[in-house]
Amino acid sequence: DAKTTQPNSMESNEEEPVHLPCNHSTISGTDYIHWYRQLPSQGPEYVIHGLTSNVNNRMASLAIAEDRKSSTLILHRATLRDAAVYYCILRGSNYKLTFGKGTLLTVNP
Amino acid sequence: GAGVSQSPSNKVTEKGKDVELRCDPISGHTALYWYRQSLGQGLEFLIYFQGNSAPDKSGLPSDRFSAERTGGSVSTLTIQRTQQEDSAVYLCASSLAGTGSSYNEQFFGPGTRLTVL
Repeated sequence: DAKTTQPNSMESNEEEPVHLPCNHSTISGTDYIHWYRQLPSQGPEYVIHGLTSNVNNRMASLAIAEDRKSSTLILHRATLRDAAVYYCILRGSNYKLTFGKGTLLTVNP
Repeated sequence: GAGVSQSPSNKVTEKGKDVELRCDPISGHTALYWYRQSLGQGLEFLIYFQGNSAPDKSGLPSDRFSAERTGGSVSTLTIQRTQQEDSAVYLCASSLAGTGSSYNEQFFGPGTRLTVL
């Protein structure tokens, strides 16, 4: 599986936007970019995914670079409930998710 | 609707004992996965079921670990002769399909925290 690189941790203030970066320079043409997050003491939950175009859903937005070698998960207004570990995962036709260490997001009140 | 459920939520056992962990996937989900998360570690894949078959067992760490799925639904992960290094949170996930659908969202259960004394 192609690798992703994320910062170990990031900090944000409540109600401010958060941009979580992910580098994936070895991405293949068929790899989708998936984001999951894991809140404390819970299992991971799906956030968003995309292939080439930017994507929006009720939870977040995903901005994908034109060369697809990087992407950014955008939380438009962080809340305390968004404090979690965020995982950027590349997924082709493979069924399993390969998790890295992710980014620990801290949200300050 | 009901999500993925796992039982027990916590299990404390003595070294050398066998344990069984149960997963109830979302109804209609044909794919089921087991992952494990050790303290301070990321999530690691253990095994994948498509229906009742397990085409990929490559993540099982030793032959003390086994899993089965019956009726295309409930799955049981069994650890024999538990060791202290087996202590971890065991997570189950399910999805509508496995292969051939790279965007299928995986829904995770809350996990079973296993502590081996």
